[in-house]
Amino acid sequence: DVKVTQSSRYLVKRTGEKVFLECVQDMDHENMFWYRQDPGLGLRLIYFSYDVKMKEKGDIPEGYSVSREKKERFSLILESASTNQTSMYLCASSFSFLAKERNQETQYFGPGTRLLVL
Amino acid sequence: GIQVEQSPPDLILQEGANSTLRCNFSDSVNNLQWFHQNPWGQLINLFYIPSGTKQNGRLSATTVATERYSLLYISSSQTTDSGVYFCAPHFGFQKLVFGTGTRLLVSP
Repeated sequence: DVKVTQSSRYLVKRTGEKVFLECVQDMDHENMFWYRQDPGLGLRLIYFSYDVKMKEKGDIPEGYSVSREKKERFSLILESASTNQTSMYLCASSFSFLAKERNQETQYFGPGTRLLVL
Repeated sequence: GIQVEQSPPDLILQEGANSTLRCNFSDSVNNLQWFHQNPWGQLINLFYIPSGTKQNGRLSATTVATERYSLLYISSSQTTDSGVYFCAPHFGFQKLVFGTGTRLLVSP
């Protein structure tokens, strides 16, 4: 079974702190994604990566950066946390866009991190 | 922008009842996934279904890509089916656009 893990289930930080959210997958997936989920707004894509050291902006990248130094690990960084970044953060992974079989494009999600910024 | 609408927004069922959830999308899609988000927030894959019909136990899904909709059927519902159901069509390179969700409560 695909396993996507996230470093914390719950996190409380103060405004201005630098925050690291870590995601690890064990299926040798090329693609990794970070989403945030907010009531009434649904899930929105922050950043994604299709290879080591590669990254692409999603729909709401402002205030975030990412790092992918190893294939299995994708980090989301809040350089200076703000209260409007209080949210549920979800990581996902999938095989390459050039996957040989279409069902390999399935995205698998981690358990999520609930971040509260005070 | 791309619109993904799910209906109904809320659904309350008695255990054992059947239901149909609908997902309409505004543009052509490459693929589509259905997810169940449990009360702890975990998004669980139900189906990857770009077209046609698939079944998995009490659940089945049908996507008619040419008419831009997908349906999720839940038969003989159980309390553990409670949660939020999302459809997420893939547009372009694996860009998932999530629907607004259907919140399901199954009572004993």
